[in-house]
Amino acid sequence: DTEVTQTPKHLVMGMTNKKSLKCEQHMGHRAMYWYKQKAKKPPELMFVYSYEKLSINESVPSRFSPECPNSSLLNLHLHALQPEDSALYLCASSQDRGRIGSEAFFGQGTRLTVV
Amino acid sequence: RKEVEQDPGPFNVPEGATVAFNCTYSNSASQSFFWYRQDCRKEPKLLMSVYSSGNEDGRFTAQLNRASQYISLLIRDSKLSDSATYLCVVSYNNAGNMLTFGGGTRLMVKP
Repeated sequence: DTEVTQTPKHLVMGMTNKKSLKCEQHMGHRAMYWYKQKAKKPPELMFVYSYEKLSINESVPSRFSPECPNSSLLNLHLHALQPEDSALYLCASSQDRGRIGSEAFFGQGTRLTVV
Repeated sequence: RKEVEQDPGPFNVPEGATVAFNCTYSNSASQSFFWYRQDCRKEPKLLMSVYSSGNEDGRFTAQLNRASQYISLLIRDSKLSDSATYLCVVSYNNAGNMLTFGGGTRLMVKP
């Protein structure tokens, strides 16, 4: 089962709202990722969690707050977003760090619109 | 200079044609290489990993040239369903796989 599940699939939120994106995988992967993708652009890395610890933050604004409650779950908490944050947010997972050739598998994404 | 560079296309080809995409990467420490396919408004899906010896999966053949830091994907006998954006992805391990995406190459296969 190579599946990464993301919820919700679509989200519309106001600039003063607080919302969360959720991601779940049951492949035993120990690295999980958040990516942001704008139209006609490749995915851009936001955060990497390795063994449930935040290992990489690609200078993401603090209005995005990741959380990894356990090895299967990854959340992205959103607060006070701007319209330019509207994008497709993709979660991915891969096997342990240090394992060369470890492919990443993506969820279907959450299409976020900030109004 | 971008870390991973691809010709954005679009490549417009007839059904049955053979088409090749190229990709160059700048980080010589890169360890793993992949081709992903992304359909419009969908998530990227792994097409194939790319190995030093080259590898083939049905109509798809991938090649890696580490000396030139170059990756290729060859699609034979193109089908309408091959129409998509093909993303070249390079990674190195740094507390998780650091995937770096190329900008993608758009393929349109016409009847």
